[in-house]
Amino acid sequence: GDSVTQMEGPVTLSEEAFLTINCTYTATGYPSLFWYVQYPGEGLQLLLKATKADDKGSNKGFEATYRKETTSFHLEKGSVQVSDSAVYFCALISNQAGTALIFGKGTTLSVSS
Amino acid sequence: DGGITQSPKYLFRKEGQNVTLSCEQNLNHDAMYWYRQDPGQGLRLIYYSQIVNDFQKGDIAEGYSVSREKKESFPLTVTSAQKNPTAFYLCASSYTNQPQHFGDGTRLSIL
Repeated sequence: GDSVTQMEGPVTLSEEAFLTINCTYTATGYPSLFWYVQYPGEGLQLLLKATKADDKGSNKGFEATYRKETTSFHLEKGSVQVSDSAVYFCALISNQAGTALIFGKGTTLSVSS
Repeated sequence: DGGITQSPKYLFRKEGQNVTLSCEQNLNHDAMYWYRQDPGQGLRLIYYSQIVNDFQKGDIAEGYSVSREKKESFPLTVTSAQKNPTAFYLCASSYTNQPQHFGDGTRLSIL
């Protein structure tokens, strides 16, 4: 079935460092891809999305490009801030379960000043 | 403001007890979902509903039940058959084939 694999954390960075969180997927057809962010004790917030190959989603300085040839959707940010500390989830919409999202296991990012 | 409201924020269950988690949305979304979140395991789908009076099992439906009598509401009951209910439960809603919006979650613990 469809699945999402993302790099395990935690990822620990200093403020202003470059961030990459890897995400690859397995899916039939052409899924839509998402990055969600979860701050401590809260629900998930949509960070960015891409719906077709070569689309680039971007928001709050974060970017991810839908690469069909490598089945990847890596999250990047050029200069992280302490406020970016959170758990990041890569996800896709599964054709098998209607519109339900399939999530990766999440990557915890910790940024220190 | 439109959004998804989950209540209560914290809930405690005694042995053999059923408990119900509330989820209400005023976004006029057709679809609603329940996920369970455990440390290191990401989110797993429990149940989802795409229209009123209809719902489907997700990956881990055993020990849970839901109803969808109104478009705005999708309560989840954790029954006594769920032997390991301690987790963070997240409700979400969406328009068909659109990104999901999430509530702030309910943390369930066993007394």
